[in-house]
Amino acid sequence: NAGVMQNPRHLVRRRGQEARLRCSPMKGHSHVYWYRQLPEEGLKFMVYLQKENIIDESGMPKERFSAEFPKEGPSILRIQQVVRGDSAAYFCASSTRADREGYTFGSGTRLTVV
Amino acid sequence: GENVEQHPSTLSVQEGDSAVIKCTYSDSASNYFPWYKQELGKRPQLIIDIRSNVGEKKDQRIAVTLNKTAKHFSLHITETQPEDSAVYFCAAGDNFNKFYFGSGTKLNVKP
Repeated sequence: NAGVMQNPRHLVRRRGQEARLRCSPMKGHSHVYWYRQLPEEGLKFMVYLQKENIIDESGMPKERFSAEFPKEGPSILRIQQVVRGDSAAYFCASSTRADREGYTFGSGTRLTVV
Repeated sequence: GENVEQHPSTLSVQEGDSAVIKCTYSDSASNYFPWYKQELGKRPQLIIDIRSNVGEKKDQRIAVTLNKTAKHFSLHITETQPEDSAVYFCAAGDNFNKFYFGSGTKLNVKP
């Protein structure tokens, strides 16, 4: 049973380009959470999704950021027109609703905007 | 919303000594408190957690205590080893939909 898979592990984008980060949850998990971690800081909640639904996006910046979790395929975090301040590690976690154990995090995508 | 504060930000101990990291939270609705260990460049990994109906939980050298009235919880690591060196994060959550993380404690265990 593979863990939470994120790709790419490292992503370099020039300012103004788009970044697409992918997350495949653990088998049997239908809940996905995205967090952002700036250097030397803790993780900050961004968005919580279930299949085809955004449940809570209270941590998402109002502009340029979007997320989806389609019926088929991985969850996607999309950042349009990236800026230097978007450089961070983006972690995805998954869970089952009935499972109140802590999240299993993916290995993260480290986005660098140059 | 919830606010989680974590202290100290850095902690240096001698191998074999104990380490204690403390967190406070603000939202009385929070009822689940996990602790994560993160090594440099790696994912956060759950090391222990506690629910609000429990005051203390222990797993080998690691223990967590929770004081609901005071809204604080602590991580205790005994007999520290160099491989315990990492950044530790506390978190608070409710209804298991999102966690609020502390700012992290960088633990250095000196051999």
